[in-house]
Amino acid sequence: DTEVTQTPKHLVMGMTNKKSLKCEQHMGHRAMYWYKQKAKKPPELMFVYSYEKLSINESVPSRFSPECPNSSLLNLHLHALQPEDSALYLCASSPRGAGNQPQHFGDGTRLSIL
Amino acid sequence: GENVEQHPSTLSVQEGDSAVIKCTYSDSASNYFPWYKQELGKRPQLIIDIRSNVGEKKDQRIAVTLNKTAKHFSLHITETQPEDSAVYFCAANQAGTALIFGKGTTLSVSS
Repeated sequence: DTEVTQTPKHLVMGMTNKKSLKCEQHMGHRAMYWYKQKAKKPPELMFVYSYEKLSINESVPSRFSPECPNSSLLNLHLHALQPEDSALYLCASSPRGAGNQPQHFGDGTRLSIL
Repeated sequence: GENVEQHPSTLSVQEGDSAVIKCTYSDSASNYFPWYKQELGKRPQLIIDIRSNVGEKKDQRIAVTLNKTAKHFSLHITETQPEDSAVYFCAANQAGTALIFGKGTTLSVSS
């Protein structure tokens, strides 16, 4: 199994809603990442979990809250988002979190904030 | 921190021609340089990567070269096909942790 699976594929929510994005991998990878990607732009790193501990938070607003329940799962909890948060949210994993490991991406969740 | 610049931003070639995309990086401590291909509406897909102890790596029609002294690396695609049309991102690792991506090159291969 060489896949990173993300759910849901699409999400539309209002600015007062609370929702969660989910990511799962069964490759035995010990690092997992959340990226945000706007149209025609490169992925922007949001968070890195290494061995289930948050190792990087790229100054992301607190309305985004990551969670890593175990080494295979990564969640991103969303609350009180703004219209500018509409984007493709990508999850990735790598064998380790050293930054010199191949990162494999999921298909992403396309998020629209009304 | 690391800064990655990528050129050109768009590239149009005829089927069968070669395509070259170039990236420069700023952090001399960077030691890992992957390339990703992203088709419209799809995930970024790792197509090739190179580490700083190697100068060149090839995989069928795709090759990557690295010049550590000049801090630049390039993607070479030979015998291009319409299915090579996509956005290509280079990246370099920063401080051994995160990947920093270039702004992307939109490659169009016309038949």
